[in-house]
Amino acid sequence: AQSVTQLGSHVSVSEGALVLLRCNYSSSVPPYLFWYVQYPNQGLQLLLKYTTGATLVKGINGFEAEFKKSETSFHLTKPSAHMSDAADYFCAVSDRAKGAQKLVFGQGTRLTINP
Amino acid sequence: GAVVSQHPSWVICKSGTSVKIECRSLDFQATTMFWYRQFPKQSLMLMATSNEGSKATYEQGVEKDKFLINHASLTLSTLTVTSAHPEDSSFYICSAREVPVRISGTPTAPFISPFFGPGTRLTVL
Repeated sequence: AQSVTQLGSHVSVSEGALVLLRCNYSSSVPPYLFWYVQYPNQGLQLLLKYTTGATLVKGINGFEAEFKKSETSFHLTKPSAHMSDAADYFCAVSDRAKGAQKLVFGQGTRLTINP
Repeated sequence: GAVVSQHPSWVICKSGTSVKIECRSLDFQATTMFWYRQFPKQSLMLMATSNEGSKATYEQGVEKDKFLINHASLTLSTLTVTSAHPEDSSFYICSAREVPVRISGTPTAPFISPFFGPGTRLTVL
């Protein structure tokens, strides 16, 4: 069974500082990987995804993530945090062998930006 | 991008009543929709997979008689919480995945990420 672990339920950084949100997955085969952002009382918005090809994936709002097979990781980064980045972030994995139908989510990381 | 809507966005009901939540794909067809439940400050837990024209597939531990799912068309799935109780209070989110079109000459259809609805906040008094 697939699983996702997000290290750190809360991450706090200063405005302008580097954002690093960690995600490790467990899967018997290379999966599809996703990062979603959720603002209060809203649904999820896709930030970026890895399916195949280049392992460094660029997403919206200046975020990017790198798929590292050897480390089974898909950490999310942003060079310079903005106040509007404060939200909950979820890493998710999907089994490509099964048509990537279901998403298994990590427990989420709440990002706080300090002025 | 594709849009998924949910209605209502929030609902308050008395214990014992039933509540229906709609999930619609507004500009694409979705043979499969997914229903998730999210408790405060927690992650999303998949409840069931809704298949157009057939029975839903429920995850282990989810009561199918309590959470009725109907996927009558390619753009609409409904979740009905029957005889709701305070412990059913939660944030319910649906997602829908567009039917991929396989291009002639390519081995597989392209992968299309699922789109999520804005969620429905259910409070049972």
